Amino acid sequence: QVQLQESGPGLVKPSQTLSLTCTVSGGSISSGSYYWSWIRQPAGKGLEWIGRIYTSGSTNYNPSLKSRVTISVDTSKNQFSLKLSSVTAADTAVYYCARTMVRGLYYFDYWGQGTLVTVSS
Amino acid sequence: SSELTQDPAVSVALGQTVRITCQGDSLRSYYASWYQQKPGQAPVLVIYGKNNRPSGIPDRFSGSSSGNTASLTITGAQAEDEADYYCNSRDSSGNQDVVFGGGTKLTVL
Repeated sequence: QVQLQESGPGLVKPSQTLSLTCTVSGGSISSGSYYWSWIRQPAGKGLEWIGRIYTSGSTNYNPSLKSRVTISVDTSKNQFSLKLSSVTAADTAVYYCARTMVRGLYYFDYWGQGTLVTVSS
Repeated sequence: SSELTQDPAVSVALGQTVRITCQGDSLRSYYASWYQQKPGQAPVLVIYGKNNRPSGIPDRFSGSSSGNTASLTITGAQAEDEADYYCNSRDSSGNQDVVFGGGTKLTVL
């Protein structure tokens, strides 16, 4: 059973960089044809896809966030990471990492439990 | 357009059948996937593709699609089905990889 776990600071100051890591267990991040995504959800609102990465390092980002987002992967640690720069209060949300199938279909079959990141001074 | 539109709220009597819909131009080209999210929990995939259920998802959940509309049907809704439901699909407009619907709050009466 694949499991994902987000980790990182729960509080980030405005204008700083949000950094989160997702650790994958129960399987290799390099196996199969899966991508690995970050998705966020502000309190009381819907889901917003942030971006995805393949183990080759190939990335795709949401155009609305592209200028501020970097997703990277460390296959030796079975982890992938998110960096979001120049954060504002609008970036306060629960951040999820998810395993992603991209083959005609596009779905997220395993999710982390989510981690709340608050942007505040 | 790269948007997926869902009704904000739907209700169903216990044991009855309910259909939750998702509309968008992308659905003319791609199947939707559906997620159930209970308060304080991560979303759970319940339907993907034409009508596929991940292991552990009850068979009362089913999916269908016609034109620009995808539907999630719960046949014989249970109290534990009360949750928010989100659809997503690839984005056919090319603006971005994937789009989510705004979510539907399902109340089981």
